[in-house]
Amino acid sequence: KQEVTQIPAALSVPEGENLVLNCSFTDSAIYNLQWFRQDPGKGLTSLLLIQSSQREQTSGRLNASLDKSSGRSTLYIAASQPGDSATYLCAVTMEYGNKLVFGAGTILRVKS
Amino acid sequence: DAGVIQSPRHEVTEMGQEVTLRCKPISGHDYLFWYRQTMMRGLELLIYFNNNVPIDDSGMPEDRFSAKMPNASFSTLKIQPSEPRDSAVYFCASRGLAADTQYFGPGTRLTVL
Repeated sequence: KQEVTQIPAALSVPEGENLVLNCSFTDSAIYNLQWFRQDPGKGLTSLLLIQSSQREQTSGRLNASLDKSSGRSTLYIAASQPGDSATYLCAVTMEYGNKLVFGAGTILRVKS
Repeated sequence: DAGVIQSPRHEVTEMGQEVTLRCKPISGHDYLFWYRQTMMRGLELLIYFNNNVPIDDSGMPEDRFSAKMPNASFSTLKIQPSEPRDSAVYFCASRGLAADTQYFGPGTRLTVL
């Protein structure tokens, strides 16, 4: 059974700091990996999607890497801002676009 | 596009009552998913449909839970009878056939007293 673990569970940083969120998974037979953002009272928004054959994806200040063989992914946020405060969820897809398995998330707070 | 629409946004009910959660997926999307989020178990997939047909309901916790998709623009998740341990946020998501990403609705926060 696939298990996804995210470290740290919570993180508080001053504005402007670069930070790294970690995700690990036990079964490397994944279709893709996604990082989502969840704001209180709202749904999930997909930030980055990395196909199993890819190593990284970038969007603005966000960069996500994937090492499928070791079962690890990182989300790098550059020059953090208070607006980045949210819960970040890592999810792996076990079959085409369908069965997502989520980690417990990292609660990020960026202090101004 | 309005995105995935869920109703109600909040539901408070008493143990033993029937609860019906509703979802309208993004127009044209072929897949619809129901998830449950709790502090203890995180986000879990309950069931998903393809072209209105249930494909995998292995995540449905008990027979008290049922889901239907009578047409391409509407789905319901029903709990009967409800129990306090069903209290959670229930999310609906949809995906187009050629897309990798699921689009999530805002969720329904269910509280069973």
